[in-house]
Amino acid sequence: DQQVKQNSPSLSVQEGRISILNCDYTNSMFDYFLWYKKYPAEGPTFLISISSIKDKNEDGRFTVFLNKSAKHLSLHIVPSQPGDSAVYFCAASAGKGGGNKLTFGTGTQLKVEL
Amino acid sequence: EAQVTQNPRYLITVTGKKLTVTCSQNMNHEYMSWYRQDPGLGLRQIYYSMNVEVTDKGDVPEGYKVSRKEKRNFPLILESPSPNQTSLYFCASSLLGQGALGYTFGSGTRLTVV
Repeated sequence: DQQVKQNSPSLSVQEGRISILNCDYTNSMFDYFLWYKKYPAEGPTFLISISSIKDKNEDGRFTVFLNKSAKHLSLHIVPSQPGDSAVYFCAASAGKGGGNKLTFGTGTQLKVEL
Repeated sequence: EAQVTQNPRYLITVTGKKLTVTCSQNMNHEYMSWYRQDPGLGLRQIYYSMNVEVTDKGDVPEGYKVSRKEKRNFPLILESPSPNQTSLYFCASSLLGQGALGYTFGSGTRLTVV
């Protein structure tokens, strides 16, 4: 049972344009959501997070939007750069302080083309 | 430098030959966890530990063992590896109750069982 879903395995975007990565979840108990970025031969690295009490969190070129009623979140990257090419994982946690267990999605491979 | 160190990075072994993948963190984190990454399935939790001598099963624990005798170390043990355990493995750590702040991941261990 995949509680966190990323339905697009891959996404290709031109440099300078906006990249939008989507994530859906089914567990209503999730109250923190995170995005991780992974380059080949490296471990995932934390990118940005959002609490369920917010609907938007911004950090430089990266913005995460949360729509609780739709159980949907998205990561916007503006403008996209070639160095953003990586696999992006959506993750969610539940419990006080966000808990500790992270449930991950299947990942989206982003390719930013020149 | 704060980090999670996994060894080895690559391992090819034969079915049934016991192996251990080591994981060590230098951040004094209470929480440690093992994940495996497979195509189309994302990152799935194998085992986790909330402190020394406290371990519990994740979502896919079959065929694996762990131990937590010291706070910094969390080895993953495959007593009788099988080909379906061929995967990319990641160790991660975080402060307890701070999962929303994100995990620190190791660089990964690519295991092939023939």
